[in-house]
Amino acid sequence: EIVLTQSPGTLSLSPGERATLSCRASQSVSSSNLAWYQQKPGQPPRLLIYGASSRATGIPDRFSGSGSGTDFTLTISRLEPEDFAVYSCQQYGSSGWTFGQGTKVEIK
Amino acid sequence: EVQLVESGGGLVQPGRSLRLSCAASGFTFDDYAMHWVRQAPGKGLEWVSGISWNSGSIGYADSVKGRFTISRDNAKNSLYLQMNSLRAEDTALYYCGKDLGSSWSLPIDYWGQGTLVTVSS
Repeated sequence: EIVLTQSPGTLSLSPGERATLSCRASQSVSSSNLAWYQQKPGQPPRLLIYGASSRATGIPDRFSGSGSGTDFTLTISRLEPEDFAVYSCQQYGSSGWTFGQGTKVEIK
Repeated sequence: EVQLVESGGGLVQPGRSLRLSCAASGFTFDDYAMHWVRQAPGKGLEWVSGISWNSGSIGYADSVKGRFTISRDNAKNSLYLQMNSLRAEDTALYYCGKDLGSSWSLPIDYWGQGTLVTVSS
């Protein structure tokens, strides 16, 4: 099973700032089968990025994903008030999917 | 508009069984793989199981293998999760999710609101 470790656990930033979230895999993620989700309290997750760098339908271009192999990054170029949430990475290529434990982006 | 509505959750004693259902609408159900993902209170997401469009390919998390069974009825646009031998650690909000593709090899692009399963004596 591929273990995904996200860092930091919590990111305290102000609106307008840039957010950089990391997701590290215990072994190489095949074909960049890495996705990022956003989740707000009381809501289901929302797909942001898949294939490590492709934005899902309707996702603003301030969200971008990068990386390959074992190291992946989600960047939010300028935080909007609605972006404060928990972000989780997920690998979906190997036998059995796994999620990271999540990074909370909170208002500083 | 894609809609996924889960049902069947509730309070159940350890060792007992429960069957979850997910009613899908707003898309061609039999074109897509489907999944169950759970989230324990205050915890992260855990993938439970996935099933391809024609039920030809199925996968389970190690934590539920041998106890849970996923199935689908394309004629009824419905997804199911039969959960047997339930344990306290199965307590979670269970989400139904639609895969981007047909063979559970892409991520989930639509999620239901979830149904809560509580395993306790």
